[in-house]
Amino acid sequence: GENVEQHPSTLSVQEGDSAVIKCTYSDSASNYFPWYKQELGKRPQLIIDIRSNVGEKKDQRIAVTLNKTAKHFSLHITETQPEDSAVYFCAASITGNQFYFGTGTSLTVIP
Amino acid sequence: DTEVTQTPKHLVMGMTNKKSLKCEQHMGHRAMYWYKQKAKKPPELMFVYSYEKLSINESVPSRFSPECPNSSLLNLHLHALQPEDSALYLCASSQDPVAGDQPQHFGDGTRLSIL
Repeated sequence: GENVEQHPSTLSVQEGDSAVIKCTYSDSASNYFPWYKQELGKRPQLIIDIRSNVGEKKDQRIAVTLNKTAKHFSLHITETQPEDSAVYFCAASITGNQFYFGTGTSLTVIP
Repeated sequence: DTEVTQTPKHLVMGMTNKKSLKCEQHMGHRAMYWYKQKAKKPPELMFVYSYEKLSINESVPSRFSPECPNSSLLNLHLHALQPEDSALYLCASSQDPVAGDQPQHFGDGTRLSIL
């Protein structure tokens, strides 16, 4: 099956700086890569996703890049704010009903 | 707004009790999922229903019994649980069980504590 690795496991940045979280996957058949943000005690919320036919996608301060050759994708958050503090999970999907999650990154934005 | 609704939000039960978790969505999604999540860990897949039929069971102990009465409802029946089953139970849905590029929408979860 698919194996998704995520780094770093914890990340602290100063407010206003950028944060980058990286994931690698093992199965070249994976074709969909969502990112979820989960605040303490709350549900995972989809913040951005990318499909395998696209190399980059941006939504305001959040961007995701995908390198299919190297089998890795990254989340970029610019101008970080304290409310960005949360656990972030990447995921990869091959078929429509099985998602493989990364181990999570705990992001702390220091005011 | 949460489009996937889970009840109850919290549940405390003894190891001999029988209880059920409920999940409901009205987005017309045809894939529904149960996940178990421990603190600061990723969601761990338990079951997948595709078109109201169980398509994936990730070797979950039989003390967890899923049920999909119709395309909008998903239940998880609990019986004789162990303390290590205490966790956040998340329900999710996605539009198309076959297409591989549809996002999952999660409910707020049921926080389960086993005494």
